[in-house]
Amino acid sequence: DIQMTQSPSTLSASVGDRVTITCRASQIISTWLAWYQQKPGKAPKLLVYKASTLESGVPSRFSGSGSGTDFTLTINSLQPDDFATYYCQQFNSYPWTFGQGTKVEIK
Amino acid sequence: EVQLVESGGGLVQPGGSLRLSCSDSTFTFTRYWMTWVRQAPGKGLEWVANIREDGSEKYYEDSVKGRFTISRDNAQNSLFLQMNSLRVEDTAVYYCARVVGYRLPNYYYYYAIDVWGQGTTVTVSS
Repeated sequence: DIQMTQSPSTLSASVGDRVTITCRASQIISTWLAWYQQKPGKAPKLLVYKASTLESGVPSRFSGSGSGTDFTLTINSLQPDDFATYYCQQFNSYPWTFGQGTKVEIK
Repeated sequence: EVQLVESGGGLVQPGGSLRLSCSDSTFTFTRYWMTWVRQAPGKGLEWVANIREDGSEKYYEDSVKGRFTISRDNAQNSLFLQMNSLRVEDTAVYYCARVVGYRLPNYYYYYAIDVWGQGTTVTVSS
């Protein structure tokens, strides 16, 4: 199975900060990676797919990059609505696996 | 707006069974692979099972193989998850979701889960 490791697990930041979350795959997954945002009690929301393609309707302050095994999700100018937990997921092979999540907290 | 609605969750004893349902009438259901993803209390997301557009292919996470069965009724725009021999560790919120990708002659390339239901809670406890 492909292990997905996110870092950090928790991140404290302020409104307006630039935030970077890292996701590392245990095997090469090309760009078969998606990022999701989840708020408490809610379903996940798709942000980025194929490592760097922004889902329609997602604000342009979100961006994804990377290929192979190392990926990043960047939020430029963090907004109050962005405080949430973020997950990466690989689609390279079954079983599909998620990172353990990164919680972005208010500093 | 696409909206998936799950039902069927509840409290069940270890070893028991539940059948989850999910439906939506706002998109062409038959064009999409569908999936179930779960989230144990306070934990991360875990993929459970997938089913092809026509139901001819199914894939399962190892811990549910032989116990869970994913199925669909395209005439009713519905997705199901039959869960048997339930264990305490199956306790979670179960999300029904739509998979997007593209098909080439010999393979289907998935790249995102783009629509999620609100989730239904399954609690396995004595």
